[in-house]
Amino acid sequence: AQKITQTQPGMFVQEKEAVTLDCTYDTSDQSYGLFWYKQPSSGEMIFLIYQGSYDEQNATEGRYSLNFQKARKSANLVISASQLGDSAMYFCAMREGRSSGGSNYKLTFGKGTLLTVNP
Amino acid sequence: DGGITQSPKYLFRKEGQNVTLSCEQNLNHDAMYWYRQDPGQGLRLIYYSQIVNDFQKGDIAEGYSVSREKKESFPLTVTSAQKNPTAFYLCASSTGQGAFDEQFFGPGTRLTVL
Repeated sequence: AQKITQTQPGMFVQEKEAVTLDCTYDTSDQSYGLFWYKQPSSGEMIFLIYQGSYDEQNATEGRYSLNFQKARKSANLVISASQLGDSAMYFCAMREGRSSGGSNYKLTFGKGTLLTVNP
Repeated sequence: DGGITQSPKYLFRKEGQNVTLSCEQNLNHDAMYWYRQDPGQGLRLIYYSQIVNDFQKGDIAEGYSVSREKKESFPLTVTSAQKNPTAFYLCASSTGQGAFDEQFFGPGTRLTVL
């Protein structure tokens, strides 16, 4: 079974509107972290937002917020007020089993969602 | 400016040749990683290193080799044993500490086997 599932290969949104990119994950660990990265056409990976499994509040970073529903094992990214520069691939990733002092280094990535922002 | 550099940006190789991809970081990070990305796919971990002179295989290590002789450098060699080496290769680094431990990525190298 896939550990990270992104069911939307592509999404379209109008400039200035909000968009939600879906991510579901599969793990039996109690301690894990969820990450979202943006990959523009240039190829570099840009970190957007992080949610720890023990964090009680949803993470927010500027126009990005993470809708974390632990019981449903979902970690959807919400982008508010979309801009043309938001057009890119977006990847959800998970690191399992890392708590303070832990040693798991591996990030598992989903296949990504290509977001296109229309003017 | 602190960051990760990868060279070259584009690399062409003849079938049967080994090729080495460079990755350098000046972030003073202990951990470094190599990922492979194929079209329409997410990143898959090839190798990672937690500390100098130590490294571990990731999910797709066959046909690749690495070294970690210096903290700043983590070169990846794509050997002739790698059956399908054409891909986009990304290097990353992190402190290796704590639950968050953000990975910072380099700009990538696009390898094409002719």
